[in-house]
Formats: sequence, C-alpha cells, structure tokens
Amino acid sequence: GAGVSQSPSNKVTEKGKDVELRCDPISGHTALYWYRQSLGQGLEFLIYFQGNSAPDKSGLPSDRFSAERTGGSVSTLTIQRTQQEDSAVYLCASSPQGGRHDTQYFGPGTRLTVL
Amino acid sequence: AQSVSQHNHHVILSEAASLELGCNYSYGGTVNLFWYVQYPGQHLQLLLKYFSGDPLVKGIKGFEAEFIKSKFSFNLRKPSVQWSDTAEYFCAVNIMIYNQGGKLIFGQGTELSVKP
Repeated sequence: GAGVSQSPSNKVTEKGKDVELRCDPISGHTALYWYRQSLGQGLEFLIYFQGNSAPDKSGLPSDRFSAERTGGSVSTLTIQRTQQEDSAVYLCASSPQGGRHDTQYFGPGTRLTVL
Repeated sequence: AQSVSQHNHHVILSEAASLELGCNYSYGGTVNLFWYVQYPGQHLQLLLKYFSGDPLVKGIKGFEAEFIKSKFSFNLRKPSVQWSDTAEYFCAVNIMIYNQGGKLIFGQGTELSVKP
C-alpha cells in the first residue's frame, strides 16, 4: 500500500518568511510524528499526534514552530519567521496506534533551505 | 536525559568483511530498540527491532542485533557485507511515556561505505 508522503520535497525560502510542510500518513494510522534531521543535531523529535490532538509537543524548538492535524489524517508543520538555523530535512512518520509495540514508518522528508 | 550513542561515525569496509556497529542508550526503564537504515537518496527504513523475548533479533538483508540489558547496548551485526549495504545506519530507542506516545530518540548515525 501507499507509504507516508510529504510535500514539498524541497523548499527554499528567504529568512523571515513563513513555510508550511505537509504530511500524509499511511491510511488508518492514528499516530503521527514529526522529526527534524540536521547536520550536527542528527534526528530530533519535534511533535507527536494521536488522532487530532498533540499530547507531546516537547520537541518543538521555539514558538515559531506549530503543527496541526485534521481529520485524523493530514498534518501540517508551520514555521513562522524562518531563520537559517531552521534549515534541515523535516521527516514525518506514522504508526498504527502509537502504542508500545508500534513501528514508525517514515516519509521521504522535506528539505528546507532558509537563505 | 535519555540519549543514544553510536560509537562509529564513519565505517569503511571491503565486501565480504564482517560488520559490527555499536549502539548504547541511557535509560533505566523499559525500552524498545530499533535500527533504521537510510540508503543514498532514499528514506529511512526499518532494519530490525527488539521489543521483548529473545535478545538476538534478525532483520532484513542478513542483519541481526543483540540486546544486552546489562550493558545498555544494541549492537548491529552482519557476517558479510555487500556493496549494496552502503548507507547510513541509525540506532533508536522508543521510550514509552504514558499518554505521550513513543517518540524515538536517535543516535547520531553511522555512515557505512562498502568498497567493491
């Protein structure tokens, strides 16, 4: 079946602009995760959704970052007033239930470059 | 704070050599352990996982890993690597916190280059 998809695959923006990154999880997966992969920081957890609610936002690096999920499916990660340090690959993952024995399946990522 | 440490940043091997990539984690509670692989130009894929039971787990493409609880380790092994194993390998720990899902904590990754 279809895997996790993300769009756009690449995004170049100017410092100070807002960007939106989209994630389509595997159909039927209730749990959705956002991670960031950057040089020097590796892979970092950002936020976790169970359905439309976000019980764990502990990884969001600042209040410029926000995310929402609608209909228990598509999620959007928004970065306001982008900074150069936001340049990274943003990865989305989904899992069936978010439970203890779940495996997370990753999308291809969105490469964000802030000039 | 919980963390995962991968000892090797870049490993270079010749085909048919044996591979062992180290992974240690710091967390005193129950963990689930994973190895993910990222081939050039592709997304992260699950290689193998450990939840409970036999501490020696086998994954795809001939990989295996051993969970040693006393050493907080989950090392990845393959007896004979192939050029197609060239990729970046990530060890990850899933720490379950009640009602907060199972976020993955990743190691820094190990880049494996296999020379034909």
